[in-house]
Amino acid sequence: EGQLVESGGGLVQPGRSMKLSCAASGFTFKNYDMAWVCQAPNKGLEWVATISYDGSSTYYRDSVKGRFTISRDNAKSTLYLQMDSLRSEDTATYYCARPGYGYYDYWGQGVTVTVSS
Amino acid sequence: DIQMTQSPSLLSASVGDRVTLNCKASQNIYKNLAWYQQKLGEAPKVLIYNADTLQTAIPSRFSGSGSGTDFTLTISSLQPEDVATYFCQQYYRGSWTFGGGTKLEMK
Repeated sequence: EGQLVESGGGLVQPGRSMKLSCAASGFTFKNYDMAWVCQAPNKGLEWVATISYDGSSTYYRDSVKGRFTISRDNAKSTLYLQMDSLRSEDTATYYCARPGYGYYDYWGQGVTVTVSS
Repeated sequence: DIQMTQSPSLLSASVGDRVTLNCKASQNIYKNLAWYQQKLGEAPKVLIYNADTLQTAIPSRFSGSGSGTDFTLTISSLQPEDVATYFCQQYYRGSWTFGGGTKLEMK
């Protein structure tokens, strides 16, 4: 059974940076694309970014392009999300998720990012 | 992006009721649809994929149907532990998008 555990959230001021991590176990991490999905307070789910299994391709939603960077270390089975120039509208719970065959079959427990002065 | 619209946004039902949740796509997505259950304070959990395939270990009272633009999640006999918000998600094209959710409450 796969497991994803996020870390790195918290309170950050607008314009500053934060890096999230997601440690994977229970499956062969290097064989799978991975993604970040966010959920603003009392709102729905939104895809943020996806990275291919080997890190060669990355995709971002428009609102984070140029500010967020998704990356991975397959040797450590870890996914990252570097978030720069943070805005109040980035406040959300961020989930690490595995897009298996189109749907997200494994999810982390989520980490909260609050952007506020 | 493909827009996903769920209805109703809020649903109240009693234990044992048959419950139907709806999801409509803005264009044909064939059967490229998943349903998730999210309980308060928890991560989403996939219930159904490919519109009608039950994920492993999900109770058989959950079922999905539909293709094209209109989809349904049915709970055949509502249980107290089914109180949650349910989201649909398309994975046919472009950015995978979610519906706004249906919050299911117990009467």
